[in-house]
Amino acid sequence: GENVEQHPSTLSVQEGDSAVIKCTYSDSASNYFPWYKQELGKRPQLIIDIRSNVGEKKDQRIAVTLNKTAKHFSLHITETQPEDSAVYFCASLGGGYNKLIFGAGTRLAVHP
Amino acid sequence: GAVVSQHPSWVICKSGTSVKIECRSLDFQATTMFWYRQFPKQSLMLMATSNEGSKATYEQGVEKDKFLINHASLTLSTLTVTSAHPEDSSFYICSARDPGISYEQYFGPGTRLTVT
Repeated sequence: GENVEQHPSTLSVQEGDSAVIKCTYSDSASNYFPWYKQELGKRPQLIIDIRSNVGEKKDQRIAVTLNKTAKHFSLHITETQPEDSAVYFCASLGGGYNKLIFGAGTRLAVHP
Repeated sequence: GAVVSQHPSWVICKSGTSVKIECRSLDFQATTMFWYRQFPKQSLMLMATSNEGSKATYEQGVEKDKFLINHASLTLSTLTVTSAHPEDSSFYICSARDPGISYEQYFGPGTRLTVT
């Protein structure tokens, strides 16, 4: 079945550094790739998304890149701040019912 | 953006009892809603896709007789955990997609279920 692999599982950076999280998907029919930030006990919050007809998208300190040929997409956070600390999930949208398949998550810790 | 609510936000029940969780789309009509389960420090695992007016589609390994899903209207889907056991304790999250607005899914705030 469809699968999304996410790396790394944990990431620790100093405030101001950049953070990169990478995902690989298996369903070649996937056409939408969102990234979510989840704080403890709360719902996932969409932070950025990209469609398959776009290679890169940026929103202030956050950017996402997509390589459809390699089935890779990545999240880039620049100038990290302590409030960026959370669990980040990538996902891909595919399947006959348009279901989201989530990666395993990356726990990001930004140290002051 | 679109709003999805869930009720209750947390519930404690005894082993063997049933619990119903409601998921509502407040400002849009959702023909399709999704139910996820999330164990501590793990990812969201899709349990089933809830289709308004028809039977839900369950993911492999999810018991449809244990997790009853009803999507009777365009704004409400319910998940009933029947004969709950401690291993059913988890964070249950629903989501809905507004078909008129791209592919984005809107998540409910989640329901923390604890079975004692």
